[in-house]
Amino acid sequence: DTAVSQTPKYLVTQMGNDKSIKCEQNLGHDTMYWYKQDSKKFLKIMFSYNNKELIINETVPNRFSPKSPDKAHLNLHINSLELGDSAVYFCASSPPARGGYTFGSGTRLTVV
Amino acid sequence: GEDVEQSLFLSVREGDSSVINCTYTDSSSTYLYWYKQEPGAGLQLLTYIFSNMDMKQDQRLTVLLNKKDKHLSLRIADTQTGDSAIYFCAEPFRGGNTPLVFGKGTRLSVIA
Repeated sequence: DTAVSQTPKYLVTQMGNDKSIKCEQNLGHDTMYWYKQDSKKFLKIMFSYNNKELIINETVPNRFSPKSPDKAHLNLHINSLELGDSAVYFCASSPPARGGYTFGSGTRLTVV
Repeated sequence: GEDVEQSLFLSVREGDSSVINCTYTDSSSTYLYWYKQEPGAGLQLLTYIFSNMDMKQDQRLTVLLNKKDKHLSLRIADTQTGDSAIYFCAEPFRGGNTPLVFGKGTRLSVIA
């Protein structure tokens, strides 16, 4: 069973569209995250969320919004997609304390 | 600042040892991490070290921590072609259980 699963794996869409990426974890972890990995493989935290607190990286445009229907899910919604949003987006989760993350396999978003 | 610095490339011959270096910024970090990313995959936690330790060994992996210099290294003994990947150093931003900040990753190439 996949511990952290993301869908879709690939997403190609036109500029200006709105899209969502789904993430689910079956590890019982308290905190979930979204990271963006650019073409140079640099990873940047976008959001971290548990049932108490949403931490937002202030550099993330407000076109991006996390939505968590329950503890096991943290979806990423993106409005008005731009070319620069093309990247691989990774979802991750972690238990309390030590914080060893489990990552999903990524969603490659291409905006054309 | 939140920068975690790593050299971007390392090339070694099969059977040799690989040493990947990292400098971090937050002296209050309780744990420091090494992650591995294979092509087309998510990040996999390789190992971690608690900040009150100088060294941790796990089979072919040895982690060294120099808190005074804020320097972390990962040594892979008897490097194999399957070790070719990108290796990321990570620390919690501002310490505690905050989102991990990743270095830019070191691409390890193993030559047969």
